[in-house]
Amino acid sequence: DSGVTQTPKHLITATGQRVTLRCSPRSGDLSVYWYQQSLDQGLQFLIQYYNGEERAKGNILERFSAQQFPDLHSELNLSSLELGDSALYFCASSERLGAYGYTFGSGTRLTVV
Amino acid sequence: DQQVKQNSPSLSVQEGRISILNCDYTNSMFDYFLWYKKYPAEGPTFLISISSIKDKNEDGRFTVFLNKSAKHLSLHIVPSQPGDSAVYFCAARISGAGSYQLTFGKGTKLSVIP
Repeated sequence: DSGVTQTPKHLITATGQRVTLRCSPRSGDLSVYWYQQSLDQGLQFLIQYYNGEERAKGNILERFSAQQFPDLHSELNLSSLELGDSALYFCASSERLGAYGYTFGSGTRLTVV
Repeated sequence: DQQVKQNSPSLSVQEGRISILNCDYTNSMFDYFLWYKKYPAEGPTFLISISSIKDKNEDGRFTVFLNKSAKHLSLHIVPSQPGDSAVYFCAARISGAGSYQLTFGKGTKLSVIP
């Protein structure tokens, strides 16, 4: 157990639907990162939050949004889902911005049918 | 544009021998490099890292080498053990860029044969 908790572990939904993925960072970690891993792809950076504020955006689609709450947990919202959004979504956390390396959760596998 | 490349999707090595995993990068602004290991159904776990001011970092059986002029780094595992069988991701970041996000390669699947 890495200390980063992601729920749900698996999610199957239909095209056009909206889902919310949840991440609880490791205790004491202020920074949360979201990554997407599609088939045969590396981990693609989506978005980062630090202590409740958006810090950086990567290749995140406009249909996707995220936020970090006062208790530091984060949610990734995916809407108008398409088949191509099927992927593993990882959350990672670190205690501070400059920390070397992150701690990853075990991911949420999203399947869009 | 893939800034971190792992050109070998897979590698098989006999137990006890050396495993060498390679990684190339294109962005000269990267100044910190990391290797992560990933088992099926788990998230990536941090393995070893190296700063751009060094050319080698060692941690037990794992050594990372950095060749800045060639924009190339490699991970050596000696001796390889069956438990090392996993997908290895190379990652890089730009310090001081504000976010410290990591850019990952696509990974190399290492199989250590008993």
